[in-house]
Amino acid sequence: EVQLVQSGAEVKEPGESLKISCKGSGYSFTTYWIGWVRQMPGKGLEWMGIIYPGDSDTRYSPSFQGQVTISADKSISTAYLQWGSLKASDTGMYYCASRIVGGSTVVFYWGQGTLVTVSS
Amino acid sequence: QLVLTQSPSTSASLGASVKLTCTLSSGHSNYAITWHQQQAEKGPRFLMKLNSDGSHNKGDGIPDRFSGSSSGAERYLTISSLQSEDEADYFCQTWDTGIWVFGGGTKLTVL
Repeated sequence: EVQLVQSGAEVKEPGESLKISCKGSGYSFTTYWIGWVRQMPGKGLEWMGIIYPGDSDTRYSPSFQGQVTISADKSISTAYLQWGSLKASDTGMYYCASRIVGGSTVVFYWGQGTLVTVSS
Repeated sequence: QLVLTQSPSTSASLGASVKLTCTLSSGHSNYAITWHQQQAEKGPRFLMKLNSDGSHNKGDGIPDRFSGSSSGAERYLTISSLQSEDEADYFCQTWDTGIWVFGGGTKLTVL
């Protein structure tokens, strides 16, 4: 069974750093891109960036370039999303997801989400 | 630029059918998309991948009431025999080399 399991909710103060994780299992972790998606309260889904764990090739949405860092450790099948200095506007739910291709079929798997709250 | 456009909201009655639309931007009418459902206070759930020819594959456990179709740059999600648990936000998504794109989502209210 394919699973993406994310780290737990975080409460941070502005200016603090944070790294959240997404651990994949049940499939070839290094073979498929993993993406990070933000959802601010009451809003839609925003694509932040994707990483190919096989070689750590990473692409960012222009909206998030320079604001976050996406990385992966293929030895433990885990992708990461990190902030160097959080802002209140970073408050939201963050999902990882992987688009797994099998021939002509595509199945999207989602993590359960990590709630990040940034408040003084 | 690859963009997906969805109507913000729609409503339909219990037991009826509803057809949601996702429109691909000009020049991208041959792209496949995926549909996702997000019920209140829950994470997104993959419904299906939908090709430009209307063929589609659904996620595990997705009822037969959910189907997809395509016409030109339009991608449709049809939900028949609406149930109360179908009330949710529905997002379409697509991809190109190095990018993912999400539509703004359609909020479906079941009356």
